[in-house]
Amino acid sequence: GQNIDQPTEMTATEGAIVQINCTYQTSGFNGLFWYQQHAGEAPTFLSYNVLDGLEEKGRFSSFLSRSKGYSYLLLKELQMKDSASYLCAVESAGGYNKLIFGAGTRLAVHP
Amino acid sequence: EAQVTQNPRYLITVTGKKLTVTCSQNMNHEYMSWYRQDPGLGLRQIYYSMNVEVTDKGDVPEGYKVSRKEKRNFPLILESPSPNQTSLYFCASSPIATKTRLSEQYFGPGTRLTVT
Repeated sequence: GQNIDQPTEMTATEGAIVQINCTYQTSGFNGLFWYQQHAGEAPTFLSYNVLDGLEEKGRFSSFLSRSKGYSYLLLKELQMKDSASYLCAVESAGGYNKLIFGAGTRLAVHP
Repeated sequence: EAQVTQNPRYLITVTGKKLTVTCSQNMNHEYMSWYRQDPGLGLRQIYYSMNVEVTDKGDVPEGYKVSRKEKRNFPLILESPSPNQTSLYFCASSPIATKTRLSEQYFGPGTRLTVT
């Protein structure tokens, strides 16, 4: 089967660093996406990992280990506006061009 | 402005009454997709389209139909809606990075559908 696991909820303090983990088991693998979704809004793209390693983009970084079926999203210098859900999504391979999403991690940032 | 639009944004309907949710993008993207989002289940793909006249089932296609007659439009059709189709629906589009890889998806604002 295909499965993507993320923690349901996390809390963190403004200014701190938080790591959101994602583990996956899918039929083939083309790449892994992270999206941010504020309550009542559409998801917006954060990052895309194809190869193993760390991709850094400002305060956000994303890591991928294909051999372990594992990724994490690292958020630094947390701000109140980072309170949102973070969605991990895997693009399955084999010509399907399908995106499989995890249920999302709801992050609450407190002062 | 580059965007994906959906209409209507909110809809309350009754069981069995056919409805269509429209989706349009102005970015000339090849790939378009429909998702539903339910609490605790995340986004689940209903149908997707790689290009005009090319559509395929996602993970939860039962009870839905789609068509892709033009590149910019990808309507979602519920022939006979049922209460279990009450959900938040998102349309998305993206360019295709390569023949086998997607690129980032751009999501519409969502359509909240209630079927009574």
